[in-house]
Amino acid sequence: GDSVTQMEGPVTLSEEAFLTINCTYTATGYPSLFWYVQYPGEGLQLLLKATKADDKGSNKGFEATYRKETTSFHLEKGSVQVSDSAVYFCALRNSNSGYALNFGKGTSLLVTP
Amino acid sequence: DTAVSQTPKYLVTQMGNDKSIKCEQNLGHDTMYWYKQDSKKFLKIMFSYNNKELIINETVPNRFSPKSPDKAHLNLHINSLELGDSAVYFCASSKKAGAEAFFGQGTRLTVV
Repeated sequence: GDSVTQMEGPVTLSEEAFLTINCTYTATGYPSLFWYVQYPGEGLQLLLKATKADDKGSNKGFEATYRKETTSFHLEKGSVQVSDSAVYFCALRNSNSGYALNFGKGTSLLVTP
Repeated sequence: DTAVSQTPKYLVTQMGNDKSIKCEQNLGHDTMYWYKQDSKKFLKIMFSYNNKELIINETVPNRFSPKSPDKAHLNLHINSLELGDSAVYFCASSKKAGAEAFFGQGTRLTVV
């Protein structure tokens, strides 16, 4: 079945550092890919998405490119802020699973001043 | 004017009890979901309804029963609660199956 693998956390960075959170997937067909963010004590919010190969999703300075050849959707940000501290989830959605989101295990990010 | 609202936000109960978590969305969406987030933050789909019809029913104990009285509501009823049911339960909705999902703030269930 489909699956998503994310790098283990927690990730601790200093403010203004470069962020990469790796995400790879296994899926049949042509899934859509997502990054969701969960701030402490809150629900999940969609951060960005890409629906086909080579699409780049971007939002709030975060970017991720759908790479079918490497089955990856790595999340990047050039300069993180303390307010980016949260748990980040990579997810895919596929028609063969009723369009439910299939999440990775989440990566906790802590940004220190 | 919360888009997807869940009640209660926190629920502490004893083993063996029966409890319900309610979810309502005011977005006019056709599809609703329940996800479970365990203590390690792992999120997994439990159920999905489209226009009040069950379309996803993952391998969860039959003590868990979703109920959709109308397409704006998807409630989760849990019988004979066990310690392992302690988790955060998230409701979500989307315009249709395959569209962007909007999540509620979660219900933290603690079984003691």
